[in-house]
Amino acid sequence: DGGITQSPKYLFRKEGQNVTLSCEQNLNHDAMYWYRQDPGQGLRLIYYSQIVNDFQKGDIAEGYSVSREKKESFPLTVTSAQKNPTAFYLCASSMSGQGPNVLTFGAGSRLTVL
Amino acid sequence: KQEVTQIPAALSVPEGENLVLNCSFTDSAIYNLQWFRQDPGKGLTSLLLIQSSQREQTSGRLNASLDKSSGRSTLYIAASQPGDSATYLCAVNSSYKLIFGSGTRLLVRP
Repeated sequence: DGGITQSPKYLFRKEGQNVTLSCEQNLNHDAMYWYRQDPGQGLRLIYYSQIVNDFQKGDIAEGYSVSREKKESFPLTVTSAQKNPTAFYLCASSMSGQGPNVLTFGAGSRLTVL
Repeated sequence: KQEVTQIPAALSVPEGENLVLNCSFTDSAIYNLQWFRQDPGKGLTSLLLIQSSQREQTSGRLNASLDKSSGRSTLYIAASQPGDSATYLCAVNSSYKLIFGSGTRLLVRP
């Protein structure tokens, strides 16, 4: 079945550590996105990528980094520079980076900083 | 800057009731508007997508309307069931990204 796989589902991190969240899709989608969700709030865009080897900052990119070396993979690194990293992280993909699109979401990764 | 607001933030209704969830946005220049469902601790599932040229979309007991000129959309749920309990989010597509509302948390009581 085609879809988006995020791992790990739960992750605990000590302050000062970098962590990387995995996002893999087998939908042959061109565009991929990372969102952050805090309790009682909507999703906020961290980074997005429309094609391989290219990505753009979203609204809250500070303290995060990404790479897009392969079409199917878009890992997100939460660095120690992110002041409040505890949140639910959602990866999504779409057919194209332009115009009206339907996003397919992964099941999410919950990061907790101890 | 596009802003999306959802009212109410939470709603509790008895089973069988028809209900309406509201979504408003500040910039009418949108490609489409999408309604999502999110179960606790899970990802988002797309329910309905309304293109900017459309007025409404229907899927089963769900009907979503779009009034671009007034910056409003509604999600109508008919004959609500306990299984409808979830958070419902709307999102507008203004460019390469979606702008999300904060959601309405729905509880349907048996």
